[in-house]
Amino acid sequence: AQSVTQLGSHVSVSEGALVLLRCNYSSSVPPYLFWYVQYPNQGLQLLLKYTTGATLVKGINGFEAEFKKSETSFHLTKPSAHMSDAAEYFCAVIGSNYQLIWGAGTKLIIKP
Amino acid sequence: DGGITQSPKYLFRKEGQNVTLSCEQNLNHDAMYWYRQDPGQGLRLIYYSQIVNDFQKGDIAEGYSVSREKKESFPLTVTSAQKNPTAFYLCASSIAWDEETQYFGPGTRLLVL
Repeated sequence: AQSVTQLGSHVSVSEGALVLLRCNYSSSVPPYLFWYVQYPNQGLQLLLKYTTGATLVKGINGFEAEFKKSETSFHLTKPSAHMSDAAEYFCAVIGSNYQLIWGAGTKLIIKP
Repeated sequence: DGGITQSPKYLFRKEGQNVTLSCEQNLNHDAMYWYRQDPGQGLRLIYYSQIVNDFQKGDIAEGYSVSREKKESFPLTVTSAQKNPTAFYLCASSIAWDEETQYFGPGTRLLVL
């Protein structure tokens, strides 16, 4: 069965520092992987997705993620954090029935 | 402007009351979904609909009901059988049931009085 693990329910970084949010998955089929962002009391917005092809995926707001099959990982990074990046980030994988399987989320805190 | 709307933004439920959350999309998407979000947890799928007049139970369907009479509408009813309804409810849609990208509405927060 597919599953998603996000390491760290909260991640705190200083403004201007590197952002690294970790996501590991298990999947019995070639995975389709997603990162979504949720600002307080709002719906989710797609940041980026990996389906096939290039393993380094660029998304909105300067974020990118790299699919590493050997490590079953899809970590999200951004070179320089901005105060507006403070939000909750969710990693997801497509299950065998085309339904999304979600990680528990990571809250990103930006310190001034 | 295409998108998904959910109403109301906040909803209060009294003991023993059924309440209905609205979800409307003008994206011409076939598939629609309802998720429940609780603090510290990922999204959990309540119901989904692959096409109009059809829907299936998700992982936590007990105490909820849905209908899909129109392509653009997928209302969720939280019944009195749902003993712990306080949560943030998110509606989403995708072009087709096997299209991987889902688009989300702004959510409805349900509180119990």
